[in-house]
Amino acid sequence: AQSVTQLDSQVPVFEEAPVELRCNYSSSVSVYLFWYVQYPNQGLQLLLKYLSGSTLVKGINGFEAEFNKSQTSFHLRKPSVHISDTAEYFCAVSKTDKLIFGTGTRLQVFP
Amino acid sequence: DAGVTQSPTHLIKTRGQQVTLRCSPKSGHDTVSWYQQALGQGPQFIFQYYEEEERQRGNFPDRFSGHQFPNYSSELNVNALLLGDSALYLCASSLAWAESNYGYTFGSGTRLTVV
Repeated sequence: AQSVTQLDSQVPVFEEAPVELRCNYSSSVSVYLFWYVQYPNQGLQLLLKYLSGSTLVKGINGFEAEFNKSQTSFHLRKPSVHISDTAEYFCAVSKTDKLIFGTGTRLQVFP
Repeated sequence: DAGVTQSPTHLIKTRGQQVTLRCSPKSGHDTVSWYQQALGQGPQFIFQYYEEEERQRGNFPDRFSGHQFPNYSSELNVNALLLGDSALYLCASSLAWAESNYGYTFGSGTRLTVV
């Protein structure tokens, strides 16, 4: 069975500081990996996805993630965050055409 | 280009009642998936519809049912509502088969409160 673990439920950070949101997955087969962002009272917006190829994936809003097969991780990073990045971030895995989400990480950016 | 549209945005129901939520997919998409997101949790897959048939289903009881219409829009029905059904219900549309994983578009959701 596939599952996703987001190691931090909350990540507080000051504006312009770097941030890393951690995600580990378990699967016995190859998977597709995603990061979604959810702003208050909104649906999910795709930040980036890994399907195959280069392990460093660049997404929208300056985010990037690195797929590490040996560590079964797909951590999300941004070198300098903005107040507007405050949101809930979800890591997800997919194989059989449905998404399995982690429990989310709340990124709180302080001025 | 309209994205995924869900209605209503908010809904309050009483235990034991039935509810219907609606979803219009993004233009050009033919597959609709429904997810339940309880407070403080990640979304959980309920089921997926393609060509007006339920294509796959998550671990939800039969009280949860759905329908897809010829224009690809979809409904989610929940019978005999429980307090635990209170959640944000998200609809996601995509293109069928292998391409579905590459292009999910989510709606803003329907917030259901059961009292």
